[in-house]
Parts: sequence; C-alpha cells; structure tokens
Amino acid sequence: GAVVSQHPSRVICKSGTSVKIECRSLDFQATTMFWYRQFPKQSLMLMATSNEGSKATYEQGVEKDKFLINHASLTLSTLTVTSAHPEDSSFYICSASPFRLDPYTGELFFGEGSRLTVL
Amino acid sequence: DAKTTQPPSMDCAEGRAANLPCNHSTISGNEYVYWYRQIHSQGPQYIIHGLKNNETNEMASLIITEDRKSSTLILPHATLRDTAVYYCIARGYGNKLVFGAGTILRVKS
Repeated sequence: GAVVSQHPSRVICKSGTSVKIECRSLDFQATTMFWYRQFPKQSLMLMATSNEGSKATYEQGVEKDKFLINHASLTLSTLTVTSAHPEDSSFYICSASPFRLDPYTGELFFGEGSRLTVL
Repeated sequence: DAKTTQPPSMDCAEGRAANLPCNHSTISGNEYVYWYRQIHSQGPQYIIHGLKNNETNEMASLIITEDRKSSTLILPHATLRDTAVYYCIARGYGNKLVFGAGTILRVKS
C-alpha cells in the first residue's frame, strides 16, 4: 500500500511555544490530506481537511488560528500547533489518499502519528 | 453518514477465526462500509471496504448482509499481532472518514 510518513514521531515542548508536524506522502501525490487528533483511550477525531494550494477546512470546534495547516505541495502538509498548552498534548495523525483516486471514496493511508507533550 | 454500532470488546483464541460484527441499519445506498484497525500508539491501518458484495483480500474478508444493515469482518486465522481496535465506518461519496469507538479485539494464546 501507499506510504504516509509523519515527523516528528514524538515531540516535547514548553507551554507557549509552537510546534510543527509534517505529513508526507512518500510514493504518491495527494491533493487532500486529513488531520486527526486522538486523546488517550479515545477514538480519532477529525480536525481538518488540508487541500493543496488552498485553505484548509476545519471541523466545528477546531480553532483555525490555533492549528495552522499548510498544504504547499502534493506530497506535504504541515500542522502547526501555535502557543501550545498542556491541553494540546495529544496524538496527532494525518492521512492521505492517492492523487488519482477520489479522496473521499478511496482508501485512506495513515501516518504513524506524532505524539505531542506540552509541559 | 450512517452511524455504526460495534461491540466494545471481543476475545479470540490465537489461530481461530475472529468475526467482528458491525451494525449499520441506517446505511444509504451510496455508502461504503470501511474497516480500519489501530494497533496501540500507531496510525490506523486500512483493512478492507465494500459496498454490496462480499470482499476478500490478503488480510480479511468482509461479509455484508443482503439488506446492507450489518456486516462482519473476518480475520481467518487470528494471531497475537491482530490485537487492536477495529473500526467499522460507513462513508458516502464526498464525505470524510469519521471514526466511532470501535471494537477492542484481544487475541489470546
């Protein structure tokens, strides 16, 4: 299957700093990527849809100024958690669908996840 | 998208078939049934998806009832590495993948 890679896999930062997480599709192009967040013992929650070359679409209740998403190329989307606080500590996961397929009906491939701990 | 209902947890003996049920009684005609699994502290892994017909791949089989109100994911010979949370998701064209609570499958030796 297609490969999606995230970096870093783990990050620890101080409260008030910003953290950037990268999501790359390694062997395919993705016009659409999705960002999820998962708290311990909970399911994945969709945060936003990242669209190459345009603004991201955020789910209800997700602050777009808090979670900045940039999808500058067909293989890279970044999520920046700005002014991070301890309550932002979570497992962040991205997913993508191959370029040639409709991103909403084909299978999605997920990254390994990035665990953010804010002290 | 239609809501899906899964049992919170199931146990299965190693080497035996694991049959994971999913109820999606309000599914509409254009909604596919997707199965993903998540092993602890990893990203979800795609398993299989289908619309009406039963599907099989190298990982699993998906059996969808004729009325499409329920489905069963079958892992034919479960191993300890199949211990994970399994998510059944109904997703229609143009919609996003939304995860529910899933089923925790514990494969025991």
